[in-house]
Amino acid sequence: DTAVSQTPKYLVTQMGNDKSIKCEQNLGHDTMYWYKQDSKKFLKIMFSYNNKELIINETVPNRFSPKSPDKAHLNLHINSLELGDSAVYFCASSDSPGGVGYTFGSGTRLTVV
Amino acid sequence: RKEVEQDPGPFNVPEGATVAFNCTYSNSASQSFFWYRQDCRKEPKLLMSVYSSGNEDGRFTAQLNRASQYISLLIRDSKLSDSATYLCVVNGRSQGNLIFGKGTKLSVKP
Repeated sequence: DTAVSQTPKYLVTQMGNDKSIKCEQNLGHDTMYWYKQDSKKFLKIMFSYNNKELIINETVPNRFSPKSPDKAHLNLHINSLELGDSAVYFCASSDSPGGVGYTFGSGTRLTVV
Repeated sequence: RKEVEQDPGPFNVPEGATVAFNCTYSNSASQSFFWYRQDCRKEPKLLMSVYSSGNEDGRFTAQLNRASQYISLLIRDSKLSDSATYLCVVNGRSQGNLIFGKGTKLSVKP
C-alpha cells in the first residue's frame, strides 16, 4: 500500500501546454510538500501546505500553482510549460512542518519538448 | 556560501571499506539535521536523524558539530547495497523547510 503516491510517473509534453501532477498520502500526515530536482540533482522546495493551508511558497514562477483540496492531497498545476521546467517533481509528506522523516513519493519525471 | 554544502564525490570504495562523508551548513539557527539516501532514479529516503550527542545505527554513525556547523556520516564495512547518493539535510529558515545538499555519490565495488 503506497504511502505517498504521485501520478503520472512520466510526463512528456510540448512547450506552452498546461499540465497537472497529483499527489495523495495515506499516512495521516498534516503537511505536504512539492520539491523539484533538476538535471544537476539539486532538490529544492517549491511549496508546503499544512492542513490545507499554504505555509511555504518559495521563489517559483506563478505559472506553478499548488492546490490542496484536503490534507491528504496536494496537486501541482503548471501553466505554459517551458523547457526549463523539465525536472523530476517529488511530493512529500510529514506529520508536522519540518517533522522528522519526510516520506517522498516516487517522483514525476517531466520532460518538456 | 550555499546553505548546505557537500563533497559531490563520487567516492569509489571496495566492499568492506570505511567511508566518511562531510557536510557544512550556513544557518547557525538550524535545529534539525538528517541524512537521506537516494538511489538512482528513485526518491530520497530517510537514513537517520543526527543528534547533538552523535548517534549510531548499525554500520552507520552520524555526528554533529554545532560550533563548526558540520555534520558527518561514517559507513563501516561497506556493502554493495550501500551504493547510492547520500544527502545531507538541514532545516531552513522557514517553518517546515528542509534544505537538501546536492548529495555525495558512493559507489561500492566488489
